[in-house]
Amino acid sequence: QQQVKQSPQSLIVQKGGISIINCAYENTAFDYFPWYQQFPGKGPALLIAIRPDVSEKKEGRFTISFNKSAKQFSLHIMDSQPGDSATYFCAAHNDMRFGAGTRLTVKP
Amino acid sequence: GAVVSQHPSWVICKSGTSVKIECRSLDFQATTMFWYRQFPKQSLMLMATSNEGSKATYEQGVEKDKFLINHASLTLSTLTVTSAHPEDSSFYICSAGEGVNQPQHFGDGTRLSIL
Repeated sequence: QQQVKQSPQSLIVQKGGISIINCAYENTAFDYFPWYQQFPGKGPALLIAIRPDVSEKKEGRFTISFNKSAKQFSLHIMDSQPGDSATYFCAAHNDMRFGAGTRLTVKP
Repeated sequence: GAVVSQHPSWVICKSGTSVKIECRSLDFQATTMFWYRQFPKQSLMLMATSNEGSKATYEQGVEKDKFLINHASLTLSTLTVTSAHPEDSSFYICSAGEGVNQPQHFGDGTRLSIL
């Protein structure tokens, strides 16, 4: 079912470091690429999203880089904090498909 | 901001029971809602697309007679797990947005445990 491939599966980063999570998609008809953050026992929450007409979007410490020709996009978390420890999912709409998820741990 | 409310948050029941889960969009109308199933430490698996006023669209491998979806209004979709068995135990999540290519707002999920 997955048409969005996400890596790495898990990531450990020191506080203050940069966390990078990557996703690749197949269907060029996708035109909305969000990242969701999920804490245990909760539903996912939208973190940041991008449309394919731009190559980068930044919101605070979170940046999406989008490479349309390579069909790849990535999430960068600058100055990572322990509170960022969660599972992150990329997705590609209009198909409502999610990546496999990345479990991020930020060590103090 | 937009909020999606999902109820109940936790259900424990005996095998053979039918369980209904509600998903409400609180401050916007949603012609389409989505239902997912999530196993521990795994991604969200899309089960079905709930369409207001018409039949739901089920993903391949999802039994429509097992997982009944009703989307009777623009703010409410329900998922009924019929004759639930232990293998149906899982975390069920709904989402809704103001369009397919718009941000999806998720409920907090329902943890279903069938004894």
